[in-house]
Amino acid sequence: EVQLVESGGGLVQPGRSLKLSCAASGFTFSNYYMAWVRQAPTKGLEWVASITNSGGSTYYRDSVKGRFTISRDNAKSTLYLQMDSLRSEDTATYYCTRDPRRAYIPGYYFDYWGQGVMVTVSS
Amino acid sequence: DIVLTQSPALAVSLGQRATISCRASQSVSISRYNLMHWYQQKPGQQPKLLIYRASNLASGIPARFSGSGSGTDFTLTINPVQADDIATYYCQQSRESPNTFGAGTKLELK
Repeated sequence: EVQLVESGGGLVQPGRSLKLSCAASGFTFSNYYMAWVRQAPTKGLEWVASITNSGGSTYYRDSVKGRFTISRDNAKSTLYLQMDSLRSEDTATYYCTRDPRRAYIPGYYFDYWGQGVMVTVSS
Repeated sequence: DIVLTQSPALAVSLGQRATISCRASQSVSISRYNLMHWYQQKPGQQPKLLIYRASNLASGIPARFSGSGSGTDFTLTINPVQADDIATYYCQQSRESPNTFGAGTKLELK
């Protein structure tokens, strides 16, 4: 059974940092792209960042570029999101997701989601 | 960015058909691939993948869910609607980066 379990959320002041973790199990972690998707309170879904299966390439939405860093440790089957210079608009539930894309078929989606971890940026 | 437009809410009766639409601001199709995907989210839960590439049923999803469409217009159909289907439904496109989600359609009981 595929499981994604996030941790590391909490209340943080604007301008400070926080690091999220996502422990994966039930599949071969190193075979899959992974991503973070967030959802502000009572709002819709917003993709944040993605990383290739090897960790060699990363992708970010413009609003977090230069502030957030996605990374992974395939030996530990763990995904991370380092969030620096946090802003109030980063307040959201952050979901760890699996991206089962294949090189020979265009497009991608998120087939498994963790339960989410809340990040609140407030003074 | 590609904008996806969904109606905010849809009221249906149990046992009836629900049709949820998603319109993209530009085509999200490449060749024979329609890069639109659908998710279900119940209150307090994480989203769940229902349909990928417009019409492919995700693993473990009941056959009463189906998807169709191409280009800019896509539809998620639930037939018949069951009580467990009351949730918010989101479409997502992956034709262009950044991938984007619709604002969601809340399915309600009539």
